Amino acid sequence: DAGVTQSPTHLIKTRGQQVTLRCSPKSGHDTVSWYQQALGQGPQFIFQYYEEEERQRGNFPDRFSGHQFPNYSSELNVNALLLGDSALYLCASSPTGDSYEQYFGPGTRLTVT
Amino acid sequence: GEDVEQSLFLSVREGDSSVINCTYTDSSSTYLYWYKQEPGAGLQLLTYIFSNMDMKQDQRLTVLLNKKDKHLSLRIADTQTGDSAIYFCAETMDSSYKLIFGSGTRLLVRP
Repeated sequence: DAGVTQSPTHLIKTRGQQVTLRCSPKSGHDTVSWYQQALGQGPQFIFQYYEEEERQRGNFPDRFSGHQFPNYSSELNVNALLLGDSALYLCASSPTGDSYEQYFGPGTRLTVT
Repeated sequence: GEDVEQSLFLSVREGDSSVINCTYTDSSSTYLYWYKQEPGAGLQLLTYIFSNMDMKQDQRLTVLLNKKDKHLSLRIADTQTGDSAIYFCAETMDSSYKLIFGSGTRLLVRP
């Protein structure tokens, strides 16, 4: 049974560029959340997708946007990259829309130069 | 407000018990969680407790919740070198699905 998968593993971008990160939830899960983890800190909630809609959002600017597809996979897009966007981006999936369990993927390490 | 605090570092000898502590400020916490993160990896859900419970035990792990003091602890019995990692405490609150994390406690297990 595959867990949460994310791609790519690592990514290097230049300031001002745009990036797309991808996540496939654990089999049977339909809800996806995205988190940003800066070095030495705990993850910060970006947003959660359920039924292809963003249903909750954290304190992140509009440069951060997302999408959920009919197969429940999800993308995180970040526009106009800043040096401060360098972080580990984590995707988590939940069994149902009402579940408070969140299972994390291995993350995508984004470096902005 | 939303705030979860943890001590930064804990060192124990292999075979001893480890106790990692966490305090939270919001009394409307619904669930409280413990996650483990090994170097270069994502977060592994270890266990979680509903806010109306006082204790939960799962093999070597025991979670204690003191709602009055807003204090959560994770006890690891017979700590092994493979338990060396960063441990994060997290909470969710009423009508919210987002996890609010502490900054993590680095556990070092000495042989």
